[in-house]
Order: sequence, then C-alpha cells, then structure tokens
Amino acid sequence: SAVISQKPSRDICQRGTSLTIQCQVDSQVTMMFWYRQQPGQSLTLIATANQGSEATYESGFVIDKFPISRPNLTFSTLTVSNMSPEDSSIYLCSGLGVPSGSPGELFFGEGSRLTVL
Amino acid sequence: QQQVKQSPQSLIVQKGGISIINCAYENTAFDYFPWYQQFPGKGPALLIAIRPDVSEKKEGRFTISFNKSAKQFSLHIMDSQPGDSATYFCAASITGANNLFFGTGTRLTVIP
Repeated sequence: SAVISQKPSRDICQRGTSLTIQCQVDSQVTMMFWYRQQPGQSLTLIATANQGSEATYESGFVIDKFPISRPNLTFSTLTVSNMSPEDSSIYLCSGLGVPSGSPGELFFGEGSRLTVL
Repeated sequence: QQQVKQSPQSLIVQKGGISIINCAYENTAFDYFPWYQQFPGKGPALLIAIRPDVSEKKEGRFTISFNKSAKQFSLHIMDSQPGDSATYFCAASITGANNLFFGTGTRLTVIP
C-alpha cells in the first residue's frame, strides 16, 4: 500500500493570502487527486492532478482558485489562492495505486486542515 | 446532487452489537462500491469493497450486503468494538472513471 504524506498538517491563514499544500507519495501511483472535506461533511473531488500537464477540475472548482502541479509521479501541490473563511476545510491528497480501469484502492493522506480568519 | 445517499448520519451501538449503515445510489453505471473508515485527524482508509456481481462480501467482522435491483448496499459490523468508533463513508465509482462519489458519512460510536 502507498503512504501519502502531506504538509502542512494544519495552518491558520489570513483572508486574501494563498497557501500551498504539498503531497508526497512513497511509491509510484497512476493517478493523484485532491479532495476537500468540510467539517463534518463528505469528501468532494477538486481535481485530478495530471503529471506534467494541467489538472482536470471538477465542476465548481477552477484553476485560478486552486492551481495544482504534479511535476512527477510521486509529488503534487495544491494552492488555495486568495483565501476566504469559506475555504476553511480539510484538503486531502489521494493516489490510486493500480492502473486506471481497475477498481484499485484509493489511498489518502492525513489531510491539511486550513482555517482562514 | 448527491450521487450516493447514506444513512444514518450518526449511530450509537453497544459493544458487541451489530452496526448497520445503509447507502443508496441512482446511477446504474456504478460498478465498484467501497467503504472507507476515517478516524479523527486521519485520512479515510479503504475498509472493504464490493462489485455488483456478488450480493455479499465478508472480511472478518465487516460485511457488505449488495442489492443490485434496489440499488442499495450496506455495511454490517458484527461484534462492534469501541475501536470501531469512527466515521464511515460509502462510495461508488465507475471502472475507468476517475471520480469516486462519496456518501455523506456516518459517525459511529461504540459504547463500552
């Protein structure tokens, strides 16, 4: 199984600032994703991080607000830009350890808990 | 629109009892149904999963029951233990697609 490390694990940010979350996987994964989990709620997919190209965003999420990079198979970053209190949430990095098309196991990092004041 | 509906929102069970969490879906293209377990401060972890070609899958104390005609599936935790206290998410996806649609979660508390 893959181990996914995220940092920071938590942060308190001021309105209008931006924060970049880093995600490192200990082994190669075919797909990497970023999810948002608002307090006490379910997980919502933000985007699929594509290696060496622009991320694929889900409805309601845009690149200007959540720029994502994935320079190689094991590393990705998510930036939350121009933050507002509504962005306070847990952001989770995840990876799929088997080729696309198989019902593989989705591994999650422990999440980055952001609080925007 | 919630693709996967989950109930109950919270559940309290006595130690040794059976915990049952239910999920329902509409999209008949879904063909993979995992359950994730999440402890406070941790990311979700895959617990057990089922495909619609079987009606039940058991792993230790955890069983998924699947009813394809009703488009429902449920998680049964037998002999529930305090260490099972966590939030459980059902999910559904289509093989080959990227998105995993999660239910709203069930917060399980097992009382000693």
